[in-house]
Amino acid sequence: NAGVTQTPKFQVLKTGQSMTLQCAQDMNHNSMYWYRQDPGMGLRLIYYSASEGTTDKGEVPNGYNVSRLNKREFSLRLESAAPSQTSVYFCASSAYNRESVYGYTFGSGTRLTVV
Amino acid sequence: AQSVSQHNHHVILSEAASLELGCNYSYGGTVNLFWYVQYPGQHLQLLLKYFSGDPLVKGIKGFEAEFIKSKFSFNLRKPSVQWSDTAEYFCAVLRGGNMLTFGGGTRLMVKP
Repeated sequence: NAGVTQTPKFQVLKTGQSMTLQCAQDMNHNSMYWYRQDPGMGLRLIYYSASEGTTDKGEVPNGYNVSRLNKREFSLRLESAAPSQTSVYFCASSAYNRESVYGYTFGSGTRLTVV
Repeated sequence: AQSVSQHNHHVILSEAASLELGCNYSYGGTVNLFWYVQYPGQHLQLLLKYFSGDPLVKGIKGFEAEFIKSKFSFNLRKPSVQWSDTAEYFCAVLRGGNMLTFGGGTRLMVKP
């Protein structure tokens, strides 16, 4: 099925470990995003990529890095995980055209626990 | 402070009750507005959106929302909720470019 695929679905890390969350979309969308979801705070934008070859910081970028590997893939890296990064991470993509009215398609999420 | 505010964090209703979830935003100028729903264990899905035209927007599953520009509000409504509407609801604003800013969410529980 077309959509946004995230891996892994669950991960437990020890403080200081590193890991990369993978995201791929097959809808030929230009823009991709990484959000984190925390109780009572909604979704907060970590980084986004408006188009292939560009990345920009969102609302909460500290402790993260991203790579827009190609048009399909946008990865999120935690270099040295901290307990404050325990969260559910969502990748999303969007097409920038009025026909789709800027609708976002979300992945199923990665539940990350840092101990 | 959040730029998109959802004042009701938790709402509990009985089936067939009417629903209204508040959403206020603090941006001036042109905004595009969305409501997303997240069912337990699932990702976010679009319920409805407003870009222009009729300020009363109808979405899927009987939901509707009204854009009131003077009040900077985009409240979500449903005349009669069902148990299957139990979920978390997020209001979101698109301003400049194509980045969404989300409210903190409202958890709705519908008792059968």
